[in-house]
Amino acid sequence: AQRVTQPEKLLSVFKGAPVELKCNYSYSGSPELFWYVQYSRQRLQLLLRHISRESIKGFTADLNKGETSFHLKKPFAQEEDSAMYYCALSMNTGFQKLVFGTGTRLLVSP
Amino acid sequence: SAVISQKPSRDICQRGTSLTIQCQVDSQVTMMFWYRQQPGQSLTLIATANQGSEATYESGFVIDKFPISRPNLTFSTLTVSNLSPEDSSIYLCSGDSNYEQYFGPGTRLTVT
Repeated sequence: AQRVTQPEKLLSVFKGAPVELKCNYSYSGSPELFWYVQYSRQRLQLLLRHISRESIKGFTADLNKGETSFHLKKPFAQEEDSAMYYCALSMNTGFQKLVFGTGTRLLVSP
Repeated sequence: SAVISQKPSRDICQRGTSLTIQCQVDSQVTMMFWYRQQPGQSLTLIATANQGSEATYESGFVIDKFPISRPNLTFSTLTVSNLSPEDSSIYLCSGDSNYEQYFGPGTRLTVT
């Protein structure tokens, strides 16, 4: 069965420090991977997807099929990055039926 | 893009009763989904709401407990029936537009 694992519930860093939020997945097919973010008192929103291969708000994520990972990285964290981050997998069935990880809360301190 | 609204935003219900949650999208979306987020847990897909036909439920979720309607391309309802304290969760609606999924603000249900 498909599964998404985010091993860290909380990641606390200082402003300007590098950030890496880990995500591993299990799926026998060819998945589509996403990172969603939920800022305080806001709804869940898409941050980035692996097929776009773009940087959003300084964040990047590379799909590593060998390690079945899709870690989210940012070289210099900002206080406004503090939020809940969810890694999600779609089984690419033509529409997005998402399987979510348990989420990692990122706290960036001044 | 699509903007999704949900009603109610929160409710407190007694066990044994039912709650119907409405989801409205400001534009037509291909697919609509209902998720549950139990306290301290991740989002779990309940079902895919199909326009004009019965919803497609995920393993562990049944129509009798979570009846869903989708009468048109911009509206869906989820009913949580025969409530028990274990149903206390946040319920989220989402819509898929141009292969991007947009989420509603959620409905926080507390069952006493």
